[in-house]
Amino acid sequence: NAGVTQTPKFQVLKTGQSMTLQCAQDMNHEYMYWYRQDPGMGLRLIHYSVGAGITDQGEVPNGYNVSRSTTEDFPLRLLSAAPSQTSVYFCASRHPEAWNEQFFGPGTRLTVL
Amino acid sequence: KQEVTQIPAALSVPEGENLVLNCSFTDSAIYNLQWFRQDPGKGLTSLLLIQSSQREQTSGRLNASLDKSSGRSTLYIAASQPGDSATYLCAAYNQGGKLIFGQGTELSVKP
Repeated sequence: NAGVTQTPKFQVLKTGQSMTLQCAQDMNHEYMYWYRQDPGMGLRLIHYSVGAGITDQGEVPNGYNVSRSTTEDFPLRLLSAAPSQTSVYFCASRHPEAWNEQFFGPGTRLTVL
Repeated sequence: KQEVTQIPAALSVPEGENLVLNCSFTDSAIYNLQWFRQDPGKGLTSLLLIQSSQREQTSGRLNASLDKSSGRSTLYIAASQPGDSATYLCAAYNQGGKLIFGQGTELSVKP
C-alpha cells in the first residue's frame, strides 16, 4: 500500500492564484482530513469528510473548498491564494473505528507571495 | 472550546537521560488523547493512544499517562537516544471525533 499520498510536495503561488492540493489514500478509509501546520500553532483542521459525498468544515475553513467524489481522493482547493495561506498542509485518513490509526501524508509546503 | 498546550516548546538533553514532555488540555470531556512524532519535513507518526477510560499506555521506552481530572498528559521517554530527536505532538479527540493538536515540543538529544 502507498498509504496517504499528497501532491505536489512544494508549491509557490502569487496572491490571487488558485490551485488544488491533491490527496489520495489506498486503504479504503472512509474518514479523511485536511490540516494546516503553522509555526508555533500546531495542526489546525481545515475540512474533513466522513465518506464519499459528505464534507464538513473544521476550525479554519475560510478560503478553502473540498469535495469527495470517491473514497480514495480528497482534494483541497484554494480559490484565491493569500499570503496568510502560506503553510504546510497535511492530509490524513483513518477507518471510522480505528482511533489510533490515523495516517498522515508527507505534506505540501505552500508559499504564497 | 478545547485548547491543548505543550510545554516546553523546545528541549535539549544529553543522550541517556530520561525525560518528560507535558501536555495540558482545557476540556476534561476528551474522548481519547494521542501522541505523535514528527520528523523534519515529514508527516506524523502515531506513537501512543490513551483512551478516556485508561490512565496510561506503554510502548518500548515510551510511556504516556492521562489524568483527565487535572487536564494533563505526559510522555515519558526512557534512556533517550539521538534517534529520538523530533517534534512530539499531543492531540485530544473531542466528543465530535476531531483532533485538537498542541503546538508541539521540539526535542533534541545530543550524543
